[in-house]
Amino acid sequence: EPEVTQTPSHQVTQMGQEVILRCVPISNHLYFYWYRQILGQKVEFLVSFYNNEISEKSEIFDDQFSVERPDGSNFTLKIRSTKLEDSAMYFCASSEARGPTGRVFGPGTRLTVL
Amino acid sequence: KQEVTQIPAALSVPEGENLVLNCSFTDSAIYNLQWFRQDPGKGLTSLLLIQSSQREQTSGRLNASLDKSSGRSTLYIAASQPGDSATYLCAVEVGDKFYFGSGTKLNVKP
Repeated sequence: EPEVTQTPSHQVTQMGQEVILRCVPISNHLYFYWYRQILGQKVEFLVSFYNNEISEKSEIFDDQFSVERPDGSNFTLKIRSTKLEDSAMYFCASSEARGPTGRVFGPGTRLTVL
Repeated sequence: KQEVTQIPAALSVPEGENLVLNCSFTDSAIYNLQWFRQDPGKGLTSLLLIQSSQREQTSGRLNASLDKSSGRSTLYIAASQPGDSATYLCAVEVGDKFYFGSGTKLNVKP
């Protein structure tokens, strides 16, 4: 069964450093998403991406964050200058379409900011 | 703003029991509702997807129902097993956004 993959599985960085989290969505999916889950809290929506542009973003997704689909397979989340409160599990997801098909989530990248 | 609530927050049952997990949401204008399983420190595994026009979905020992008008969904697990121990999350899709509940942490004791 097709899967969403994410690399790395765990990233440790110093506060103020830039990080790039990588995702490979399912190949025939058209919609891509990033979510995060701070330890002990709900999974929160960050951003959705369709047709090479952001279609929706949450209040969390400020100017420190950016997303890109640099080629036909990868989907990346960049955090420009990490803060301690960015420490979380980051999940990538993709879907074939809006609505009826649901979302397939990747295994997550655990980001630890020291 | 859509709010998703799950009750109970935690549940501990002996093996073999049938159990019900509850999910409620405040805005009935949803595309679909999805139940996930999350093991500690791991990703989200999709269990069942109920489209807004559907009333229930079944997969093996799992059955999920959806009542959009009352803003409720239940996940029924039959004959629970220790391997079912995990956190169960429900999420509703509204446009491009997906709103998650806080989850029910299930412990099935052998």
